[in-house]
Amino acid sequence: QKEVEQNSGPLSVPEGAIASLNCTYSDRGSQSFFWYRQYSGKSPELIMSIYSNGDKEDGRFTAQLNKASQYVSLLIRDSQPSDSATYLCAVPSAGSNYQLIWGAGTKLIIKP
Amino acid sequence: KAGVTQTPRYLIKTRGQQVTLSCSPISGHRSVSWYQQTPGQGLQFLFEYFSETQRNKGNFPGRFSGRQFSNSRSEMNVSTLELGDSALYLCASSLWPDGPVEQYFGPGTRLTVT
Repeated sequence: QKEVEQNSGPLSVPEGAIASLNCTYSDRGSQSFFWYRQYSGKSPELIMSIYSNGDKEDGRFTAQLNKASQYVSLLIRDSQPSDSATYLCAVPSAGSNYQLIWGAGTKLIIKP
Repeated sequence: KAGVTQTPRYLIKTRGQQVTLSCSPISGHRSVSWYQQTPGQGLQFLFEYFSETQRNKGNFPGRFSGRQFSNSRSEMNVSTLELGDSALYLCASSLWPDGPVEQYFGPGTRLTVT
């Protein structure tokens, strides 16, 4: 079983709608969770960090964490074509000196 | 504060040659991680260095090696290049364990092996 799993997509969402991206993880001891955005041919960029159960909002982005169910999600409101990218979920592994374990990423396509 | 820098940005090498890539972390970051990314693939972890010591290593052959200097700058080396080594090589730095664990990436070095 992979330690961090994401649906590879592509996930196609109409412009202006809410995009919902999900990530599940296997390490119950994980305390922090990260979402990165990667445009084609570019390097990943950190967009959200979440440490506590519940929701964390930053502009059009909301990260949701449910430690009991071991999933973290990213919602993008009012999706724009510029949000089209691959979104990577990352979770530190306590067993590896907190090296980040990465999901394979979900490709998001926003249709104008 | 300046971000992570990587040199060179692009590189073309021939099979059998060796290559050295360089990474300068964000000032104050002592942890440097290296990743390989091929088209359509996720991030494949190579190794991580902290205070000149390799703390973690991914599942790559011994042709892939790295080191870190006392100023936290890091280099990775690939010897006896193979066609399959063509990829985007990413370096990321972190404050961990001196601060938050999140990583910040450089622009990457795109290596093409012919």
